[in-house]
Amino acid sequence: GAVVSQHPSRVICKSGTSVKIECRSLDFQATTMFWYRQFPKQSLMLMATSNEGSKATYEQGVEKDKFLINHASLTLSTLTVTSAHPEDSSFYICSARGGSNTEAFFGQGTRLTVV
Amino acid sequence: GENVEQHPSTLSVQEGDSAVIKCTYSDSASNYFPWYKQELGKRPQLIIDIRSNVGEKKDQRIAVTLNKTAKHFSLHITETQPEDSAVYFCAVPLSGGYQKVTFGTGTKLQVIP
Repeated sequence: GAVVSQHPSRVICKSGTSVKIECRSLDFQATTMFWYRQFPKQSLMLMATSNEGSKATYEQGVEKDKFLINHASLTLSTLTVTSAHPEDSSFYICSARGGSNTEAFFGQGTRLTVV
Repeated sequence: GENVEQHPSTLSVQEGDSAVIKCTYSDSASNYFPWYKQELGKRPQLIIDIRSNVGEKKDQRIAVTLNKTAKHFSLHITETQPEDSAVYFCAVPLSGGYQKVTFGTGTKLQVIP
């Protein structure tokens, strides 16, 4: 299957700082990327849908000013957690698909710990 | 929006037995139904999917059945092995397409050797 690479896999940051997470599709062009958050022992919750060259669409309850998403190219989307707080500590996962009728492939996830 | 319910939340089976996980959904326009396996701390991996034009799909020890009328689909794992132990998620696309998906709440499967 296609490869989606997410970086970093783990990050620890201080409260109040910002963290950027990258999601890259390595062997296909991803017109759409999705960002999920997963708390321990819970399901994946969609945060936002990122479309190349346009603004991201955020799910209800997700603060767009706190979770900045940029999808500047067909192979890269970034999620920046601004002014991080301990409650933002979670597992963040991106997924990407090349077209509307294709399977979505997941990145390996980023374990964010805010101390 | 789509309402997806997944049962059971935990499942323990003896090695070699079968395991069945069921998901129900609310949007009758949904037409693509994937199942994912997630090992601890790792990314979800697609293990099988089914489209609404068929009622069953099988891949070795894994099968998925779909009942569009009743709006539910199930994952069947036969001859379970310890390496099948993981969390399994069903997913249903929103608005009948392949774009955004809603994930079920997950089933933690434990296969006891």
